[in-house]
Amino acid sequence: ELKVEQNPLFLSMQEGKNYTIYCNYSTTSDRLYWYRQDPGKSLESLFVLLSNGAVKQEGRLMASLDTKARLSTLHITAAVHDLSATYFCAVDIGSGTYKYIFGTGTRLKVLA
Amino acid sequence: DTAVSQTPKYLVTQMGNDKSIKCEQNLGHDTMYWYKQDSKKFLKIMFSYNNKELIINETVPNRFSPKSPDKAHLNLHINSLELGDSAVYFCASSWGQGGEKLFFGSGTQLSVL
Repeated sequence: ELKVEQNPLFLSMQEGKNYTIYCNYSTTSDRLYWYRQDPGKSLESLFVLLSNGAVKQEGRLMASLDTKARLSTLHITAAVHDLSATYFCAVDIGSGTYKYIFGTGTRLKVLA
Repeated sequence: DTAVSQTPKYLVTQMGNDKSIKCEQNLGHDTMYWYKQDSKKFLKIMFSYNNKELIINETVPNRFSPKSPDKAHLNLHINSLELGDSAVYFCASSWGQGGEKLFFGSGTQLSVL
């Protein structure tokens, strides 16, 4: 069974600092997604990574994918309070599977 | 226009009741999903439908019955509600060939008393 694990589960960091969230998954896949969820809200897509070595950046967030290590990272540069949210990675195991497995989530709090 | 819309947003009900949640997407996607998010924020897939056909049923109790009258709609009916059904239920849609991000509805917070 595909398992997707994130660490840390909780992250409290000061504004201006850098940090990385890790997403490990247990089976072969070259499709990985990152989502953001604000408290009480829905999930919105941040990044879609579709090949080994893929790197995407948007503002202070950068995501990468290493399919050989079955690892994706979400790097936060110079955190600001507005980045406080829960971040999820998700994996799908190929076309026609219609199944996205989500990680455990990382609850990020950026302190002013 | 909201891409994926769910109703109701909140549902408070007694144990043993039957309730439904409706979902509609106007993105032209061919695949729709139901996810359950528990109190610890874990997201678990329940069902997925492709072109109105049930593809995934993740060992969900058969008190839960999804219905897709057309590829733009996916409803969820729950019979004999139990306390453990309390959660946030999210509808989502995508193109079904994989490699496509999910678009989520705003969620339905179900509270069973």
